[in-house]
Amino acid sequence: AQTVTQSQPEMSVQEAETVTLSCTYDTSESDYYLFWYKQPPSRQMILVIRQEAYKQQNATENRFSVNFQKAAKSFSLKISDSQLGDAAMYFCAYRGNTGNQFYFGTGTSLTVIP
Amino acid sequence: ETGVTQSPTHLIKTRGQQVTLRCSSQSGHNTVSWYQQALGQGPQFIFQYYREEENGRGNFPPRFSGLQFPNYSSELNVNALELDDSALYLCASSFQGRMVYEQYFGPGTRLTVT
Repeated sequence: AQTVTQSQPEMSVQEAETVTLSCTYDTSESDYYLFWYKQPPSRQMILVIRQEAYKQQNATENRFSVNFQKAAKSFSLKISDSQLGDAAMYFCAYRGNTGNQFYFGTGTSLTVIP
Repeated sequence: ETGVTQSPTHLIKTRGQQVTLRCSSQSGHNTVSWYQQALGQGPQFIFQYYREEENGRGNFPPRFSGLQFPNYSSELNVNALELDDSALYLCASSFQGRMVYEQYFGPGTRLTVT
């Protein structure tokens, strides 16, 4: 079974600074999708960014970007110019090209310090 | 566009009882997935429904069952509740048929089993 590991239970960042959240995964598939989700204290999970494994170019969404290293099975999230509203739990998730199950990591709690 | 909604928000049940949780999918979506999120953990896939049929199942016992209705809304039923069933239950809707494997989450139902 695929596993997703987030080794940083908690992270903090000063407002306006940059922070990187780590994620590694284990799979034998060559095609798959990777995601970062944000879960604020209100609980509703929100998609932050998506990366297709067949794409070499790292995905970017405004202040959010990823560093996708396929050979290393690493998928980190970089948040630039951190804002107070970025404070939340961040989950890394994997979905294979076949099947329909998403596998989530245990999450990283991000605190933004004013 | 209507988002994913879930009811009820909170629920307290006694061990051995049965519970039904409900989910309305986002407008235009035909697939619903259910997840269990224990405290401090990432979501764990329970099962997915597509065209009113179960379309994949995670490592959960048969006392977890579901339904999908013609309007794509869904129910999660849990029989013979155990203390370990206490968790946040999330549903997520998506559209099967596109090459975009994104899902949108509801706010969740917090189930407490005493």
